[in-house]
Amino acid sequence: EAGVVQSPRYKIIEKKQPVAFWCNPISGHNTLYWYLQNLGQGPELLIRYENEEAVDDSQLPKDRFSAERLKGVDSTLKIQPAELGDSAVYLCASSEAGGNTEAFFGQGTRLTVV
Amino acid sequence: ELKVEQNPLFLSMQEGKNYTIYCNYSTTSDRLYWYRQDPGKSLESLFVLLSNGAVKQEGRLMASLDTKARLSTLHITAAVHDLSATYFCAVGYNTNAGKSTFGDGTTLTVKP
Repeated sequence: EAGVVQSPRYKIIEKKQPVAFWCNPISGHNTLYWYLQNLGQGPELLIRYENEEAVDDSQLPKDRFSAERLKGVDSTLKIQPAELGDSAVYLCASSEAGGNTEAFFGQGTRLTVV
Repeated sequence: ELKVEQNPLFLSMQEGKNYTIYCNYSTTSDRLYWYRQDPGKSLESLFVLLSNGAVKQEGRLMASLDTKARLSTLHITAAVHDLSATYFCAVGYNTNAGKSTFGDGTTLTVKP
């Protein structure tokens, strides 16, 4: 069974440019997460979806970040415009509904803003 | 707000030795997860602990949860080089199923 798939794996952009990340969760997983991971730190939640509904986006910087999960499966995370401080690894994860199961993580997208 | 603190943050140990990693958290929770991350890789689930007193073991790793003390431990028995990785605990919110907060991780290096 395929795991969580993310693309691209690496992205280098200039500041003020837009960037988008894509995630395909494990089939059947209703819950999808986007996390940000800085070097030497644990993942920090940006947004959580239950099916196509964003149920927790309190940590998403909405002035420049946006996300969507239109059909309750794939999701995209966008940053526009990117800032130097956005350089990090962006992780997508999915889990079964209910909240008592572990999350399965993708390989992540390493973003470098120059 | 839920705060999660792991210690130590860095751990260097000899093969064959035992050690314990601690995960303390600040508010009531009865759901805790342990993950492993190898350098440049993503996180892999190790254990899911869902009740006070829960204990789970897999190979040389054993995890436990004491919800009253707000503490989970990850015990390493007779460490081997392959266990070198960063270990994260993540604590679930009782009032918000599906949400959890991660600690900053413990980077373990096992030396031959």
